[in-house]
Amino acid sequence: EDKVVQSPLSLVVHEGDTVTLNCSYEVTNFRSLLWYKQEKKAPTFLFMLTSSGIEKKSGRLSSILDKKELSSILNITATQTGDSAIYLCAVEPSAGGTSYGKLTFGQGTILTVHP
Amino acid sequence: KAGVTQTPRYLIKTRGQQVTLSCSPISGHRSVSWYQQTPGQGLQFLFEYFSETQRNKGNFPGRFSGRQFSNSRSEMNVSTLELGDSALYLCASSLTGTGGSYEQYFGPGTRLTVT
Repeated sequence: EDKVVQSPLSLVVHEGDTVTLNCSYEVTNFRSLLWYKQEKKAPTFLFMLTSSGIEKKSGRLSSILDKKELSSILNITATQTGDSAIYLCAVEPSAGGTSYGKLTFGQGTILTVHP
Repeated sequence: KAGVTQTPRYLIKTRGQQVTLSCSPISGHRSVSWYQQTPGQGLQFLFEYFSETQRNKGNFPGRFSGRQFSNSRSEMNVSTLELGDSALYLCASSLTGTGGSYEQYFGPGTRLTVT
């Protein structure tokens, strides 16, 4: 069964700090890894990483996929209080059979940024 | 472009009752996946629909069912509600649900409380 483990489970930092969130996975026939940010509502999409796109960046957020180590990191630089949220990592297996539309999520990392 | 919408946003039901939740995907998206989110289990996959067909199902009892209409809108039904069904139910839409370039976008969720 597919498995995703995130670490740390929670993190408290001050504004301006840089944080690194970790995600490791076990999945049959890996297709993609996704990062989401969840505040008090629906998860919002951040990045999708695949074999053909192992590094993504958007503003202060960036993510790298290490297919050899079966892991990914999400970096946030110059953190702001608005970055406080749960960060979710999910993996998607290749299409077909029992894979359609199914993301397997990690437990999430709760990030708290203090002023 | 409008996002994924879900109705109702909040629902309180009594044990033994049944409930129907609705999800309208992003225009043009044909795949709808449903997830249950609880503090203890995190986000867990319920099922996925594409072109009115259920293509994938998670490990939930038969009390959980769903369907999709020709306009891609989807409903999920939970019969004989139990206290443990209290959760945030999220639906997500994607273009095809086959992975690769087609990431999932989540709706705001329906918060179901069973008393």
